[in-house]
Amino acid sequence: GESVGLHLPTLSVQEGDNSIINCAYSNSASDYFIWYKQESGKGPQFIIDIRSNMDKRQGQRVTVLLNKTVKHLSLQIAATQPGDSAVYFCAEGEGYKLSFGAGTTVTVRA
Amino acid sequence: NAGVTQTPKFQVLKTGQSMTLQCAQDMNHNSMYWYRQDPGMGLRLIYYSASEGTTDKGEVPNGYNVSRLNKREFSLRLESAAPSQTSVYFCASSVGTHTGEQYFGPGTRLTVT
Repeated sequence: GESVGLHLPTLSVQEGDNSIINCAYSNSASDYFIWYKQESGKGPQFIIDIRSNMDKRQGQRVTVLLNKTVKHLSLQIAATQPGDSAVYFCAEGEGYKLSFGAGTTVTVRA
Repeated sequence: NAGVTQTPKFQVLKTGQSMTLQCAQDMNHNSMYWYRQDPGMGLRLIYYSASEGTTDKGEVPNGYNVSRLNKREFSLRLESAAPSQTSVYFCASSVGTHTGEQYFGPGTRLTVT
């Protein structure tokens, strides 16, 4: 079946370093890809998205890269801060439907 | 702007009981969604409403019903709760359906014993 998944369930990062969170997907018909951040006890929060006809998109301190050849998505966070500690989900979208991966827990070390 | 609000925040039900989870958004969004999140998993879509007056099944609709009461409100009903429905339920909204930019509520943590 088709699935969205993240390569690693956990990631520990030193404060100030850059973080890279990876995700593999398998539905080549997906129109768009999204990254969400979920802090403990809260709902997911939209970070950034990228359409399937793009390969890179930048936001504030974040960059999303899409490699359709190998069906890979990544989220780069520059100068990681303690407030970046959370679970990060990638999701792929086709029409109305979003399919979420299981998430990567990012812990920022002081 | 409150964004997306959900009530209640916590609920404990006995098997076979019914309840309705309420959701409202004040962003004038057309589309609304209900998801469930189980431990260690991503979110799974239960039902969605592309616009006022329409509802459609998502990935895991069995055991649930929904009502899009008006543009602001979208409720989720469990007619006969089962332990397998123990989960955290999130409501979300978006401007339209072909976008990943959804805004989520704080969630309802439901336990069925």
